[in-house]
Amino acid sequence: GQQLNQSPQSMFIQEGEDVSMNCTSSSIFNTWLWYKQDPGEGPVLLIALYKAGELTSNGRLTAQFGITRKDSFLNISASIPSDVGIYFCAGRSHAGNNRKLIWGLGTSLAVNP
Amino acid sequence: EAQVTQNPRYLITVTGKKLTVTCSQNMNHEYMSWYRQDPGLGLRQIYYSMNVEVTDKGDVPEGYKVSRKEKRNFPLILESPSPNQTSLYFCASRLGQTDTQYFGPGTRLTVL
Repeated sequence: GQQLNQSPQSMFIQEGEDVSMNCTSSSIFNTWLWYKQDPGEGPVLLIALYKAGELTSNGRLTAQFGITRKDSFLNISASIPSDVGIYFCAGRSHAGNNRKLIWGLGTSLAVNP
Repeated sequence: EAQVTQNPRYLITVTGKKLTVTCSQNMNHEYMSWYRQDPGLGLRQIYYSMNVEVTDKGDVPEGYKVSRKEKRNFPLILESPSPNQTSLYFCASRLGQTDTQYFGPGTRLTVL
């Protein structure tokens, strides 16, 4: 099935650094979602975006819905050890009954205390 | 506590031996779904259910069956497991048309 291009694939940073990751698609989406998966657990929704250009924050996390509607960005400021995990983007191009999501392959984040 | 539970969390089995992974949610959600997660392939939807007795195929349904006899339960059935079904499986649920999917803790399945 269709997948999003999520980058970078992995990051290893020092505690306190800021982090940026992004997702791009060849098709236009009307919803972008960002999830985090902690080791040994299922993904948890962090931020949902519904409008082109929208900028939404959740604590130290900020995500943006790209104006072209083909990309989205997630930033984490002042990283801490508990930010470790895999971050997934997911997008949806139409509101069908399934509201099917297209998933990125994830960005694995490691934080050195 | 609102949650999605899966059992078992870990399972090692042999080719051809039928197995069922159970999924239960206590949030009265209409929508439930099964995913498998594989390295380099991300999350892929296997089956989903919009409500009781309503199920449909996702992206990778081959080799799997599901049923939705009750709102809270959505078991995943592998009638004749094969090694290519070795994977990490997640059940998820959500309320109606909302975006917040609640994922279970995952079931790591190994088929020898």
